[in-house]
This record gives sequence, structure tokens and C-alpha cells, in this order.
Amino acid sequence: GQQVMQIPQYQHVQEGEDFTTYCNSSTTLSNIQWYKQRPGGHPVFLIQLVKSGEVKKQKRLTFQFGEAKKNSSLHITATQTTDVGTYFCAARGSNYKLTFGKGTLLTVNP
Amino acid sequence: DVKVTQSSRYLVKRTGEKVFLECVQDMDHENMFWYRQDPGLGLRLIYFSYDVKMKEKGDIPEGYSVSREKKERFSLILESASTNQTSMYLCASSLEAPSYNEQFFGPGTRLTVL
Repeated sequence: GQQVMQIPQYQHVQEGEDFTTYCNSSTTLSNIQWYKQRPGGHPVFLIQLVKSGEVKKQKRLTFQFGEAKKNSSLHITATQTTDVGTYFCAARGSNYKLTFGKGTLLTVNP
Repeated sequence: DVKVTQSSRYLVKRTGEKVFLECVQDMDHENMFWYRQDPGLGLRLIYFSYDVKMKEKGDIPEGYSVSREKKERFSLILESASTNQTSMYLCASSLEAPSYNEQFFGPGTRLTVL
């Protein structure tokens, strides 16, 4: 089945530093979604990317979809303690099924 | 406000017991999903349903079954619970939309099998 590799597994930063998580697939993706899960919480949808080379921004978060639609990244500028959590990418397969990456756990030292 | 609810936040069961996890959504979504989440393994799809009485196996269906008798309700059944089914179980739902299928998650049920 479809597999999505996400790196790094963990990232610890000082508050104010930037953070990036990457998502890679061996197959071309129709779209990719990003979710955030706060500690003790459930995944919450952040964004969906559909077009080749697409870049979307949400305040300090920048999402990119690769030209070949095989990779994606989430970049956070100047992290804050509220950014703590696990970030998942998810690729859509058949029948609206999503395959999730294993996630990147971000911790922020104040 | 969009809502997915799960019957219990925490559940403790004994090996061999039959366990029912219930999920209800109020968004009139066609698709519903059951995942389990384990440290280091991310979210793994157990089963999903794209219509009432319809179901499809996900990546790890062994030891589980599901039931969807009404559109808003999707149940996960552990026929005979085992200790390796101790996990966080997350239910989700989404619209049946070809190009946009954001999933809405419930709060999760942390199941411990002793």
C-alpha cells in the first residue's frame, strides 16, 4: 500500500528558532494534508495542498507541495511554546482513505 | 460546530472480553474511520466505512470488526480483547468529496487490556 515517510521523528528547539518537518512518498500524490495533535489531544486539520509546487501560508506556518507531488514540508518560523505537538502529514489514497506519516514531535524550550 | 464524539475517554478491560467502542458524528458525513495510535507508529487505519452498512478493511484489521447501522454512528468491536490491543483509538469522519476530504477526529478512547 501507499507509504508516507516523515522526518524527523523528534525535534527540540529553543523558542524563536525555526522548525521544519518533511514528508516523502515514492509515488505521486493526488493531495497531501497536514494535521497537528497537541499533547493529550486529537489530530486537527491544518491544511490541504493539491497543486504541484503549491505554497500556502498560515501566519508563521508555511506549507509546500513538491513539483513532482511526491514530497511536502511544513516550516514554522520563530517557534512559540504554543507550537508544541505532533505534526502529521497524510496522503490521500483510494476511497478517501488517508495514509498518515508517523509524525514529528516538536518540543519548544521557552 | 463540527463534532465527533466517542463513548469513553478511558476504558479498562480484561483479556478475552468483547469490547465495543462507539463513535458518533453530527455532521452528516458519509465517511467514517477507526484508527489506533501507538508511540512511534503514528496513526494506523483499522477499518473505514463510506456508507451505511458498508465497510472496508484498513491496514490492520485483524482482531477487529466494525458496524455501521446508521449514518452517524460507527462502532469498533474487539471480539476477544488481547493485551496487544492496548492503545489509543481514534474515530474520524469526512465528507464524500472527490477533491477535499478533511478528517474530523474524536477525542479518542484510551483502552487498556489487562
